[in-house]
Amino acid sequence: DAKTTQPPSMDCAEGRAANLPCNHSTISGNEYVYWYRQIHSQGPQYIIHGLKNNETNEMASLIITEDRKSSTLILPHATLRDTAVYYCIVRVPGANSKLTFGKGITLSVRP
Amino acid sequence: DAGVIQSPRHEVTEMGQEVTLRCKPISGHNSLFWYRQTMMRGLELLIYFNNNVPIDDSGMPEDRFSAKMPNASFSTLKIQPSEPRDSAVYFCASSFSNTNYGYTFGSGTRLTVV
Repeated sequence: DAKTTQPPSMDCAEGRAANLPCNHSTISGNEYVYWYRQIHSQGPQYIIHGLKNNETNEMASLIITEDRKSSTLILPHATLRDTAVYYCIVRVPGANSKLTFGKGITLSVRP
Repeated sequence: DAGVIQSPRHEVTEMGQEVTLRCKPISGHNSLFWYRQTMMRGLELLIYFNNNVPIDDSGMPEDRFSAKMPNASFSTLKIQPSEPRDSAVYFCASSFSNTNYGYTFGSGTRLTVV
C-alpha cells in the first residue's frame, strides 16, 4: 500500500530547474515528507525533508501544498550529475519508524 | 567522518556457502538498517536495530537470513546457506533515531551467488 505516488520518469535540460512532483493524499498530521535520491550503483542519498513549511538547503527546495497532500522537489539548476532515481517518502520520525522506498521517479538530465 | 562503511564491496560465492556482510555505522548513530535492492523488488528493508536491539525483522525473507549488532559500531548480515535468488545489492544505513534527519547509506555490497 503505497503512501506516495510519483510519475515513473521525467527529463529536463541541463541548467534548467527540475520540478519533481509527489502525491501523498493520505498523509497524516505527524508524518514528514522526505526526499532521497539514488545515483546509479550508489547508496540512496538524503536530500531534504519537511512537515508543512517550504524548506531549502544547498541541494534542493521542497514545496509542500497547504493541504499537505502533495509536494514538489525543486533542483534549481539541474546538472548531468543529478540524473538519478528520486524517492518521495512520508514517515513519522522516531526510533520505531521505518523508511520504506517505493519505485521513485527517474530523472534524466539531458545536455 | 568516513560515513557508513560496508564490506566487502563485491562478493561472489557458490550456492550453499555461508555469506557474511559487514557494516560499520557512523559514530554516534544509534539506529542501523539493512536493505536489499533488486531490479524486480526495488529497495526492501530487511531489519533494523535501535541501540543495538533488533526492532523489526519482518522484512527478513526466511530463516537463512540472520543479523546481529553486537555493539554500537558493528553489524553483520549472514546468509546460510546462500541461494542464487539472494543475489542483490545489500545496503546498510544508520541514523540518529531521536531526530527527524535522514539516514546515511553505505556504498553497498553486491552479492552474486552462482
